[in-house]
Amino acid sequence: GAVVSQHPSRVICKSGTSVKIECRSLDFQATTMFWYRQFPKQSLMLMATSNEGSKATYEQGVEKDKFLINHASLTLSTLTVTSAHPEDSSFYICSARDPREARGDTQYFGPGTRLTVL
Amino acid sequence: GQSLEQPSEVTAVEGAIVQINCTYQTSGFYGLSWYQQHDGGAPTFLSYNALDGLEETGRFSSFLSRSDSYGYLLLQELQMKDSASYFCAVSGTGGFKTIFGAGTRLFVKA
Repeated sequence: GAVVSQHPSRVICKSGTSVKIECRSLDFQATTMFWYRQFPKQSLMLMATSNEGSKATYEQGVEKDKFLINHASLTLSTLTVTSAHPEDSSFYICSARDPREARGDTQYFGPGTRLTVL
Repeated sequence: GQSLEQPSEVTAVEGAIVQINCTYQTSGFYGLSWYQQHDGGAPTFLSYNALDGLEETGRFSSFLSRSDSYGYLLLQELQMKDSASYFCAVSGTGGFKTIFGAGTRLFVKA
């Protein structure tokens, strides 16, 4: 299957700082990537859909000015958590679909980024 | 909107068969997927149904009934390593975004 990488895998930062998370599709081009947040023992909550070359589409209740998404190339999307606070501490996961697959609905997930805001 | 319901926990013994059910409500339907997630890891794709019927992939099978808005994941010959969370997910029209259920934690006992 397709491979998606994410960096960093873990990050600890002070309250008020900004953190950038990168999501890369390694062996395919992804015009669309998805960003999820997951709290312990809970489901994946879709935050936004990242579209290459255009603005991201945010889900209801997600602050677009706080969670900045940039999809500048067909293999890279970034999520920047601005002015992070302890309540932003979570597991952030990106995913993408491989356009080469006939069954175009399968999502391939990155390994996730564990963010801890002190 | 979209919503999914699945049991929160299931416990089974090694070697047994377990079925995890999922019912969904969605405006528009593209497919029902199943993902496995071990603690601390990312979800991995298991199975997918777009049409009614059973899809088999090794020890895992998935079933879909579109008329009943219902599907299930069947795990056979359970192994300890199958202890994980299992999520059903639906994709609908409107951007093909995928919405995940709350997940079912499967505990496999010796």
